[in-house]
Amino acid sequence: AQSVTQLGSHVSVSEGALVLLRCNYSSSVPPYLFWYVQYPNQGLQLLLKYTSAATLVKGINGFEAEFKKSETSFHLTKPSAHMSDAAEYFCAVSDQGAQKLVFGQGTRLTINP
Amino acid sequence: SAVISQKPSRDICQRGTSLTIQCQVDSQVTMMFWYRQQPGQSLTLIATANQGSEATYESGFVIDKFPISRPNLTFSTLTVSNMSPEDSSIYLCSVGDRAYGYTFGSGTRLTVV
Repeated sequence: AQSVTQLGSHVSVSEGALVLLRCNYSSSVPPYLFWYVQYPNQGLQLLLKYTSAATLVKGINGFEAEFKKSETSFHLTKPSAHMSDAAEYFCAVSDQGAQKLVFGQGTRLTINP
Repeated sequence: SAVISQKPSRDICQRGTSLTIQCQVDSQVTMMFWYRQQPGQSLTLIATANQGSEATYESGFVIDKFPISRPNLTFSTLTVSNMSPEDSSIYLCSVGDRAYGYTFGSGTRLTVV
């Protein structure tokens, strides 16, 4: 079964600094990969998805992610952090065959003023 | 993308009782997914619900504990039966597919006392 690993359960950056959230996947075939954000007491919102088209994927709120097959990675980045980016971020992979998502452990992003 | 209305948004229940969570989608969808998010944890798939057939449960989840109904293509319910404090979690429904992405309801925050 496919799986994802998010390195770092908690990441803290200063406002205006680069945001880098790491995600590695395990798959023997090209996967479908997703990044979701969860603000406190809210559901999940899709940031971006990789579906085997362009390897650099641009999402909402200035986020982007690059699919690197050689590294089995799909790291999420944002050039300049805003206070409003503070949230929990989840990387997820679509399980081969069944149309369902397998989530990573999540990374809590804190933004320091 | 589809819009999901999930009810209730939160509830506090006595142990030994049951709670039914409803999800209404604004368009017809083939599959609906039910997830559990335990406190401070990631999301775990409970089951996949197709209209007109029995739900497919993931390992560790059983129909007697989490019965699911899917009477039509826009509606589903998840019941948490004979609750214990360990069932205190956020429960989310989701629709979509890996090509277009997945949409989530706002979640039901359940506390069992």
